[in-house]
Amino acid sequence: DVKVTQSSRYLVKRTGEKVFLECVQDMDHENMFWYRQDPGLGLRLIYFSYDVKMKEKGDIPEGYSVSREKKERFSLILESASTNQTSMYLCASSEPGQGTDTQYFGPGTRLTVL
Amino acid sequence: AQKITQTQPGMFVQEKEAVTLDCTYDTSDPSYGLFWYKQPSSGEMIFLIYQGSYDQQNATEGRYSLNFQKARKSANLVISASQLGDSAMYFCAMRETDSGYSTLTFGKGTMLLVSP
Repeated sequence: DVKVTQSSRYLVKRTGEKVFLECVQDMDHENMFWYRQDPGLGLRLIYFSYDVKMKEKGDIPEGYSVSREKKERFSLILESASTNQTSMYLCASSEPGQGTDTQYFGPGTRLTVL
Repeated sequence: AQKITQTQPGMFVQEKEAVTLDCTYDTSDPSYGLFWYKQPSSGEMIFLIYQGSYDQQNATEGRYSLNFQKARKSANLVISASQLGDSAMYFCAMRETDSGYSTLTFGKGTMLLVSP
């Protein structure tokens, strides 16, 4: 089974803090993704990575950056957290070329910025 | 225009009955994939079922089936014999390929409540 883990289930930070959200997958997947989920808006793609050290902007990259130094790990960084970044953050991974290219998700991190 | 539309914010069903969750999509890409995910209150997104645009038959996975009507651009999820544990948010998503990368676009979701 695919296992995607995220470093924290719940996180509370203050405005202006630098925040790191970590995601690790154990299936040697090429692709990794970061989404945020807000009520009534569904999931929106922030950034994704198709290889180590490679990244692509998603639909809402403003205010975020990412890092992928190792294949299994994909980090989302909030350089200076703001209250409008309070949200649920979901990480996913997938293997391209495996037919369906299904994305498998971690348990999510509920981030509150005060 | 929205790429994925789920028109039902909430649905109620009694245990053991079947329920259909609606999803329509919009794409000009001839090759695409359609997914349904379940999100219980715990928050994790659980993959349920997949339908490829070239698949001739409707996908089925246990109690889940996908009613794929390509000409109408609809991909409704049918859950047979509902169980209390089916109460959750359900998301429809579409995979498209752009510049060689595949990404998912999600609908806003449907909350399903199963009553005893």
